[in-house]
Amino acid sequence: DQQVKQNSPSLSVQEGRISILNCDYTNSMFDYFLWYKKYPAEGPTFLISISSIKDKNEDGRFTVFLNKSAKHLSLHIVPSQPGDSAVYFCACMDSNYQLIWGAGTKLIIKP
Amino acid sequence: DTAVSQTPKYLVTQMGNDKSIKCEQNLGHDTMYWYKQDSKKFLKIMFSYNNKELIINETVPNRFSPKSPDKAHLNLHINSLELGDSAVYFCASSQPGTGYEQFFGPGTRLTVL
Repeated sequence: DQQVKQNSPSLSVQEGRISILNCDYTNSMFDYFLWYKKYPAEGPTFLISISSIKDKNEDGRFTVFLNKSAKHLSLHIVPSQPGDSAVYFCACMDSNYQLIWGAGTKLIIKP
Repeated sequence: DTAVSQTPKYLVTQMGNDKSIKCEQNLGHDTMYWYKQDSKKFLKIMFSYNNKELIINETVPNRFSPKSPDKAHLNLHINSLELGDSAVYFCASSQPGTGYEQFFGPGTRLTVL
């Protein structure tokens, strides 16, 4: 039973445009949400996070939006750059401080 | 300077063997983790461990056991390897109280033949 879903296995975006990655979750008790980026043959690296008491967090080109009522979060990257091509994972923290992960979305930035 | 390192990066072995994967972190973190990334690419927590508490995911077979000689190391021992154990295993660490981010090692690709 998947508690965290990233329904788009892949996404292709033109360089310079906005990339929007989506994540849905089912457990209303999740209260902290993180996005990770992963290159091939490397471990995931932390990108940005948001607490459930906020609806937006911004860090440079990256912004995470949280809609608690819809149990939905999204990651916006603008402008998209070739180095952003990677797999992006959404992770939600449960009450035991364990991370529950989505399956990832492969982002391809086209030059 | 590598923050979280794992050895080996690749491990190919026969069914029934016993193997270990080592993990070391130089971040001074109190909590370490082992994850398994399965064929569907999901990252699933296997263990989380700090000085005081080991939390085991109940779905992990008892053939898997974490061993921590000190705070900077958390090794993963696997007994009687099975074909279904083939996966990429990631070690991670975090410091409770300074944020919830976990820092990951590069992964170990285990192939059981």
